[in-house]
Amino acid sequence: EAGVTQSPTHLIKTRGQQATLRCSPISGHTSVYWYQQALGLGLQFLLWYDEGEERNRGNFPPRFSGRQFPNYSSELNVNALELEDSALYLCASSRRGAAEAFFGQGTRLTVV
Amino acid sequence: KNEVEQSPQNLTAQEGEFITINCSYSVGISALHWLQQHPGGGIVSLFMLSSGKKKHGRLIATINIQEKHSSLHITASHPRDSAVYICAVRFQGAQKLVFGQGTRLTINP
Repeated sequence: EAGVTQSPTHLIKTRGQQATLRCSPISGHTSVYWYQQALGLGLQFLLWYDEGEERNRGNFPPRFSGRQFPNYSSELNVNALELEDSALYLCASSRRGAAEAFFGQGTRLTVV
Repeated sequence: KNEVEQSPQNLTAQEGEFITINCSYSVGISALHWLQQHPGGGIVSLFMLSSGKKKHGRLIATINIQEKHSSLHITASHPRDSAVYICAVRFQGAQKLVFGQGTRLTINP
């Protein structure tokens, strides 16, 4: 069984551009979570999607948005990129209501 | 307030030593994860605990629900164990994970 997959693994963008990050959850998982790990900081909760709906978001500006598709895969979009958006973006998936989450390998976004 | 604290922040040891990393949290949880992050950033889930103890190879994770505390132990440590170890908690009634700041472990040969 495939694990949580994220693409791309690395992404370099220029300040002001938009970045799109993708996550495919484990088959059967309907919940997808996005987390950000900025340089020197711990992992912070960004967004939670379940059954196609945004269920919760962390303390991030509206330039961070996303969606979940009918197959439960998810996109994270970051608009008007700023240098401080350079970070590792981690996706996790779980069954709805399950305690255990499974993690992708992350996408490292670099904004120059 | 839902908080997670790890200790120590940094730990350097010699190959073969027994390693303990601690995680304390503030209120009741439904699950606690121990994660390993190697240089380059990829994260591997080591354990998910809601009670008791789990063992995988040289790694042992324990949790004491009453004391709101978990430990990750590494026996016969090896330089390849060098990584950042992160405790992540799902508090009761919440879906998102709250992460500790991580413990940077360095094992010298």
